Amino acid sequence: QQQVKQSPQSLIVQKGGISIINCAYENTAFDYFPWYQQFPGKGPALLIAIRPDVSEKKEGRFTISFNKSAKQFSLHIMDSQPGDSATYFCAASDSSNTGKLIFGQGTTLQVKP
Amino acid sequence: DSGVTQTPKHLITATGQRVTLRCSPRSGDLSVYWYQQSLDQGLQFLIQYYNGEERAKGNILERFSAQQFPDLHSELNLSSLELGDSALYFCASTSGGRTDTQYFGPGTRLTVL
Repeated sequence: QQQVKQSPQSLIVQKGGISIINCAYENTAFDYFPWYQQFPGKGPALLIAIRPDVSEKKEGRFTISFNKSAKQFSLHIMDSQPGDSATYFCAASDSSNTGKLIFGQGTTLQVKP
Repeated sequence: DSGVTQTPKHLITATGQRVTLRCSPRSGDLSVYWYQQSLDQGLQFLIQYYNGEERAKGNILERFSAQQFPDLHSELNLSSLELGDSALYFCASTSGGRTDTQYFGPGTRLTVL
């Protein structure tokens, strides 16, 4: 069964700290790995995405690290801010299939001022 | 604002009833995905339509059905509702490419009493 496992379930970080969320996948056909951010009462919004031909992608304070051999990828949020407090979902899809996203279970991040 | 609209925002109904959720994709987007978000199952793919045709099915119950109309809006029909169908239902749209960003709507919160 196609699965994406995400950890931790919840995370508390001090303002200015680094938040790290990890995901692992099983299906080696996955070739697109986005991270979504969801605020209460809102739909998920794309934060950053990576394809397996690179090991790292950085956009502002957000970085994805990708380890193809270990089938793992992670989101790093540098200089975490209270406004980053949200639920984060990793996901994966297989572009040879339909592009449907397989989501991790989500991580609730709280950044304390 | 993602440009994807969903109505209604909230829906409260009784077991055994039937409801219809509506989604209007971003202007120009041809593909619509439906996802269910519940506390125990997380975000799960239900079904995808592309330019009016069903492209993929996920863990969608037989009591659920969907369609995409010529104007590209989509409807998700849920019938013989059970308590366990209470969840957030999101649609997402893309221009059609399998690794295009999926833009999520604000969701419909369904409560079955």
